[in-house]
Amino acid sequence: GQQLNQSPQSMFIQEGEDVSMNCTSSSIFNTWLWYKQDPGEGPVLLIALYKAGELTSNGRLTAQFGITRKDSFLNISASIPSDVGIYFCAGLSLSGNTPLVFGKGTRLSVIA
Amino acid sequence: GAGVSQSPRYKVAKRGQDVALRCDPISGHVSLFWYQQALGQGPEFLTYFQNEAQLDKSGLPSDRFFAERPEGSVSTLKIQRTQQEDSAVYLCASRDRGPPLHFGNGTRLTVT
Repeated sequence: GQQLNQSPQSMFIQEGEDVSMNCTSSSIFNTWLWYKQDPGEGPVLLIALYKAGELTSNGRLTAQFGITRKDSFLNISASIPSDVGIYFCAGLSLSGNTPLVFGKGTRLSVIA
Repeated sequence: GAGVSQSPRYKVAKRGQDVALRCDPISGHVSLFWYQQALGQGPEFLTYFQNEAQLDKSGLPSDRFFAERPEGSVSTLKIQRTQQEDSAVYLCASRDRGPPLHFGNGTRLTVT
């Protein structure tokens, strides 16, 4: 089946630093989504991307839909302690009939 | 309710027992999805409903897993003769028209 490679697996950063994570796919996607999951909760949508090359911001978060349609990036600027959590990328293929596929997540830890 | 509601939040079952997990989607959402999330992994697709029709059950790991949504609203995921490898968080999600899924907080199933 489809695979999403998400990296890095985990990150330890100082409060105030910028963060960058990415996701690559073996196949073309027409939608990329970024979710955040806190312990004991379900994933919460952060940003949705629908067009190749699209760059979208949500507060301190910025995500981009790669022009090859096979990758996406999420950046977090000026990290704060509440950014701690697991970030997942998810993609929807061109056919649209396949389910949303998730990466394995990037675990972010912020040191105050 | 305002969000996707799942119950119970936690379930401990002895190996061989049957379990039933409930999902109340966001009111009016036509599509409903079940995902399984193993520890340290991203959510993996199990099955998908559009109204009461189960359109895709390709992710169900075995015939011990069964899902239904008889009236196109509440859904139940049933696991028969539970095994230790069934231990995971079971996430339910719903959506209206667009791709983004709205997740519940999941049911954590532990099989002892």
